[in-house]
Amino acid sequence: GAGVSQSPSNKVTEKGKDVELRCDPISGHTALYWYRQSLGQGLEFLIYFQGNSAPDKSGLPSDRFSAERTGGSVSTLTIQRTQQEDSAVYLCASSLAGKGTEAFFGQGTRLTVV
Amino acid sequence: QQQVKQSPQSLIVQKGGISIINCAYENTAFDYFPWYQQFPGKGPALLIAIRPDVSEKKEGRFTISFNKSAKQFSLHIMDSQPGDSATYFCAAKAAGNKLTFGGGTRVLVKP
Repeated sequence: GAGVSQSPSNKVTEKGKDVELRCDPISGHTALYWYRQSLGQGLEFLIYFQGNSAPDKSGLPSDRFSAERTGGSVSTLTIQRTQQEDSAVYLCASSLAGKGTEAFFGQGTRLTVV
Repeated sequence: QQQVKQSPQSLIVQKGGISIINCAYENTAFDYFPWYQQFPGKGPALLIAIRPDVSEKKEGRFTISFNKSAKQFSLHIMDSQPGDSATYFCAAKAAGNKLTFGGGTRVLVKP
């Protein structure tokens, strides 16, 4: 079956522009995560959606970052007025609800702000 | 606040040797402890996971040891192979909450 799909795979944008990154989770997965990974670094948590609960936005680095999940499926991460420090790989993951369920990651979107 | 601390940051081991990566956590509500393996240019993939009701889990050459009282868990890679060269992340999760990752360990297995 299809895994987590992210688009675009690569995005180059000019400083100050807005970008939208898309994540299509595995069908039926109610939990969805966004992480950011800078070159050679760890996984920085951004936001977590779980079913109909209010999302955990505690990892969003500034108010330029926002995310939504429509219909409990597709999610879009939006970065407004991009800065060079936003350059990173943005990873999306999804999982089933419940205890101890595996999170499956997409391949990520490599964002470069020039 | 880093809830899961991982060490070392990097590790070099000879082919056939044992790679050991350690993680410590603070939140006693965590009830699921997975390890992820990431190759360059790829997303992380689940390698092995453990629940706190067992002290050890083995899958092939990969073993998780879990010490609930010390709030520590570790990954052992036996008979390390060059194909094991990757970045490894430990993680922890409480029911209904997000996965929290350690900082990662870059493992290089020399032939």
